[in-house]
Amino acid sequence: DADVTQTPRNRITKTGKRIMLECSQTKGHDRMYWYRQDPGLGLRLIYYSFDVKDINKGEISDGYSVSRQAQAKFSLSLESAIPNQTALYFCATSPGQSSGNTIYFGEGSWLTVV
Amino acid sequence: SQKIEQNSEALNIQEGKTATLTCNYTNYSPAYLQWYRQDPGRGPVFLLLIRENEKEKRKERLKVTFDTTLKQSLFHITASQPADSATYLCALDPSGGSYIPTFGRGTSLIVHP
Repeated sequence: DADVTQTPRNRITKTGKRIMLECSQTKGHDRMYWYRQDPGLGLRLIYYSFDVKDINKGEISDGYSVSRQAQAKFSLSLESAIPNQTALYFCATSPGQSSGNTIYFGEGSWLTVV
Repeated sequence: SQKIEQNSEALNIQEGKTATLTCNYTNYSPAYLQWYRQDPGRGPVFLLLIRENEKEKRKERLKVTFDTTLKQSLFHITASQPADSATYLCALDPSGGSYIPTFGRGTSLIVHP
């Protein structure tokens, strides 16, 4: 089983709909992240959380919200999806700075907004 | 502004040769630099980390160098194989204490049999 699990893996949704991407991890890490990846733009950080009570905006948080339900669960919501949010989304975890903050990624969620 | 640069053009090499990928950065003073591998449609996978006080790190057929004066890291794969074909991303920690690695856009490596 994957250490970082994302659901759904693929989703097609309509403009204006609310969509939630869920992430759970079994690595026991406190830090969790949501990234999006677009061709030619690389990985961009949407939100990150260093523990259950800590939520921070990343580089591109507009149009997104997150919830850290537990140490192991971090969900990303698009309140009103728009076509330019079509992308590959990754959830990730890390153990923190002491180990160089190595990032462990999930398998990704393909989201298409039509 | 802070920048991480990786060659956007794909690197094509023949099987058995050494592949060398470059990561240059500006306006960073990273404590460490990481390299990841990403296969199409999959999440990046961590390969190696090198700290600012280390010049070189090796793991099996992989070697990473880190030159903080040149602000450059080189990533080498010796005796390359078609299975090494993937996109390779470098990442380093930005200034300001968040310690969240910032990723380069990656370089695609294609190893021909």
